Amino acid sequence: GAVVSQHPSRVICKSGTSVKIECRSLDFQATTMFWYRQFPKQSLMLMATSNEGSKATYEQGVEKDKFLINHASLTLSTLTVTSAHPEDSSFYICSARVGLGYGYTFGSGTRLTVV
Amino acid sequence: AQTVTQSQPEMSVQEAETVTLSCTYDTSESDYYLFWYKQPPSRQMILVIRQEAYKQQNATENRFSVNFQKAAKSFSLKISDSQLGDAAMYFCAYRSAGTGNQFYFGTGTSLTVIP
Repeated sequence: GAVVSQHPSRVICKSGTSVKIECRSLDFQATTMFWYRQFPKQSLMLMATSNEGSKATYEQGVEKDKFLINHASLTLSTLTVTSAHPEDSSFYICSARVGLGYGYTFGSGTRLTVV
Repeated sequence: AQTVTQSQPEMSVQEAETVTLSCTYDTSESDYYLFWYKQPPSRQMILVIRQEAYKQQNATENRFSVNFQKAAKSFSLKISDSQLGDAAMYFCAYRSAGTGNQFYFGTGTSLTVIP
């Protein structure tokens, strides 16, 4: 089946540094990628939607200058957390639409810890 | 915006027994999809079952079935013959029909399976 490979699975970074998270579709073209954030014991909340070759659309309250999303190709979307702070510590998950149907597949997630 | 409500933060079931997880949603749309996702400790989102709103017949996938009540905007998940591997967080999700639309997730139900 369609697979989205998300890396890294875990990352610890120092406060003030930047972290890049990659989501790569392995056997299909992901024209649309969704980025979600999940705090402990909470639901997934959409951060932004990215379409290949265009600027991402951010949800209300999500700082686009802090969470940089790049979707330069049909198989790769990246989320960069810039100037990370401890409150950015969370679980980040990407999701891509598969083909023309209603199938969506999720990456395995990235646990970010900012110390 | 659409909202998805899961009123049971935690549920437990004896192994081999049946359990039903509740979900309600609010929407003004007539065409949409509903999903149940399972998130085990690995945090990988796994699709359990999906339902197209235009279909009156309830979806089934082996031991998993739904009770879809469109007028009541209710979408419950029944797990029969519960197994230890069913223990996980379960999220109910809504997505509009058409392309490129995001998921709206409920807050989740943590299911414990008692041996």
